[in-house]
Amino acid sequence: GQSLEQPSEVTAVEGAIVQINCTYQTSGFYGLSWYQQHDGGAPTFLSYNALDGLEETGRFSSFLSRSDSYGYLLLQELQMKDSASYFCAVRSYTGGFKTIFGAGTRLFVKA
Amino acid sequence: DTAVSQTPKYLVTQMGNDKSIKCEQNLGHDTMYWYKQDSKKFLKIMFSYNNKELIINETVPNRFSPKSPDKAHLNLHINSLELGDSAVYFCASSPDRENSYEQYFGPGTRLTVT
Repeated sequence: GQSLEQPSEVTAVEGAIVQINCTYQTSGFYGLSWYQQHDGGAPTFLSYNALDGLEETGRFSSFLSRSDSYGYLLLQELQMKDSASYFCAVRSYTGGFKTIFGAGTRLFVKA
Repeated sequence: DTAVSQTPKYLVTQMGNDKSIKCEQNLGHDTMYWYKQDSKKFLKIMFSYNNKELIINETVPNRFSPKSPDKAHLNLHINSLELGDSAVYFCASSPDRENSYEQYFGPGTRLTVT
C-alpha cells in the first residue's frame, strides 16, 4: 500500500525558517508534490520534485531524497500569511498514475 | 475567468436526501478529480476521470456516483445522504493523468448533513 507521514503541527516565528518533513512508502514512486491550503480555501500547488535535490521557488524550496523516501518543504522569511496547512502528495504509477495526499501539516506563524 | 468552479459552495440537507454537486473547468484539462476532505483535513481521492472515462474509483460507497458529460465537467451525485457524508468536497483538474502531480482545485463544496 501507500503511506505518507508528516507532522500534524509546526509553529514558527515571523521571519524565521521552517522545514516541514514528509516520509513516504509507496511502490512505483515518480515524484513528490507540495500543496498549500489556507483555512476555508482550496489546496494550491506549490512545487514538484521528481529528482533528488533542492528546487527553489522564491521563499519556498522543496527537497527530495528518493533513496531515503523523504522530502521536505522549506519556507524562508516566514510571513503571517504563510499560516496554512501544507500537504505532501506522492505521485506513483501502479497500472496508471495516481497522486495520494498526506494528512497535512498545520503551520502556525507567530508575530 | 475562474479556472475550476463548483456549485453550490454550501449545501445543507437532511439525512436520506439525494443531492448533486457540479464542477466545471475552463483550463482545457483532460483529467478531473473528486476529493473528500473531512474535519481532520485529510484529503481523500474519490474518483478521477480522463476524457470522460473513469480511471480511478477508490473505495467509496456506491451511493456516490460521478458523471462526466464532457471533459470540462465532472458532477457528483450522492444518494441517501448520511451524517458521515458531511465534509468539504473538492473538484480538481490536471492537464492529463500523467501530470497528476499538479492539480488545480475548485473552491470546494461544504456539505452538511443533519
